[in-house]
Amino acid sequence: KAGVTQTPRYLIKTRGQQVTLSCSPISGHRSVSWYQQTPGQGLQFLFEYFSETQRNKGNFPGRFSGRQFSNSRSEMNVSTLELGDSALYLCASSLWEGLADEQYFGPGTRLTVT
Amino acid sequence: KNQVEQSPQSLIILEGKNCTLQCNYTVSPFSNLRWYKQDTGRGPVSLTIMTFSENTKSNGRYTATLDADTKQSSLHITASQLSDSASYICVVSAGGTSYGKLTFGQGTILTVHP
Repeated sequence: KAGVTQTPRYLIKTRGQQVTLSCSPISGHRSVSWYQQTPGQGLQFLFEYFSETQRNKGNFPGRFSGRQFSNSRSEMNVSTLELGDSALYLCASSLWEGLADEQYFGPGTRLTVT
Repeated sequence: KNQVEQSPQSLIILEGKNCTLQCNYTVSPFSNLRWYKQDTGRGPVSLTIMTFSENTKSNGRYTATLDADTKQSSLHITASQLSDSASYICVVSAGGTSYGKLTFGQGTILTVHP
């Protein structure tokens, strides 16, 4: 069974631009969660989607948004990029909703904002 | 405020030796605690998940313990291998009305030398 895939793997953007990251969960998994990882803050939870609905949300500004499609694939969007948004963005999938379930992470998208 | 503190921040050991990583948390109410291994440039991989009633859980050479009274967990690695070099992250999930809310530790960077 294929693992969680994320595209693109690397991305370079300029301040003020917007970016969309994509995540395809493991087949059969219906929950997708997104995380930001930086050297200074470590891993931080962004949001969780299940059945195309946002179920949980972390403490991030409204510039960070996401959505989930009927096939469970998810996208994350960051508008008006700031230098501090440079990070590794990870998505994780699990069979069911609820962050207490076993989560399987993708390899991440490395975003660099210049 | 919910917090997860890991120690040490970094650790260097020789191949074949054992080591123990610590995780202290103040998350309340507690739901579960997870240990992840993250190789450089890759997404985290779950090692163990422990609920309130579990004291010990093993995954090969990895053994996690949980003391819910003192709010401490440890991850013991036996007969270390070069491939154990990675960051180990402790994540605590809250229960009750904060169900699913995750608090992350900053991680312990383990380096295994030949």
